[in-house]
Amino acid sequence: DTAVSQTPKYLVTQMGNDKSIKCEQNLGHDTMYWYKQDSKKFLKIMFSYNNKELIINETVPNRFSPKSPDKAHLNLHINSLELGDSAVYFCASSHLLAGAKNIQYFGAGTRLSVL
Amino acid sequence: DQQVKQNSPSLSVQEGRISILNCDYTNSMFDYFLWYKKYPAEGPTFLISISSIKDKNEDGRFTVFLNKSAKHLSLHIVPSQPGDSAVYFCAASGLRANAGKSTFGDGTTLTVKP
Repeated sequence: DTAVSQTPKYLVTQMGNDKSIKCEQNLGHDTMYWYKQDSKKFLKIMFSYNNKELIINETVPNRFSPKSPDKAHLNLHINSLELGDSAVYFCASSHLLAGAKNIQYFGAGTRLSVL
Repeated sequence: DQQVKQNSPSLSVQEGRISILNCDYTNSMFDYFLWYKKYPAEGPTFLISISSIKDKNEDGRFTVFLNKSAKHLSLHIVPSQPGDSAVYFCAASGLRANAGKSTFGDGTTLTVKP
């Protein structure tokens, strides 16, 4: 039973399209994250939600809009896709209130290719 | 400003030898340092952590050393095994440092040769 699952695993689409990536965690965590890993393999945080409230919003184009319907889900919608959006997107979750250690549990990633 | 850096993008060692992966940070407010391991086509998984009040933490073949004065930590893997071949990310977190989020380094690709 996968702890953090994200769908789809692969996403190939044309420039200008709108797409969504879904993430669900069954660990009972209170915080969820979206990371972008670009071609240089750097893991860059994009957003974080704690109990459905946005707590981290890094400098990300407003074409990216996260939505958290409940604590167990954090979806990422991307409008007007651009070539530079091609990357692997990772969802993660953690129990933030457990302390500063903040061990995060990651999904397997969604590889987005914009053509 | 990249607060966590792993200056070696890759490391290759022979099976049975020691692997040493390094990480430097700039923010003295970090409370915890964590190492994650990532295999291809999978997400990172937590490996080992160390509190900023300690200088060493050991878990089986994995030991993390922290030098606060130098703002430097290292992960030692002894003995290295081919299954350890992966990308290793150093991360730092702290409620005062970055509001609870983790800041990741660029990663070091470890290859353990049989």
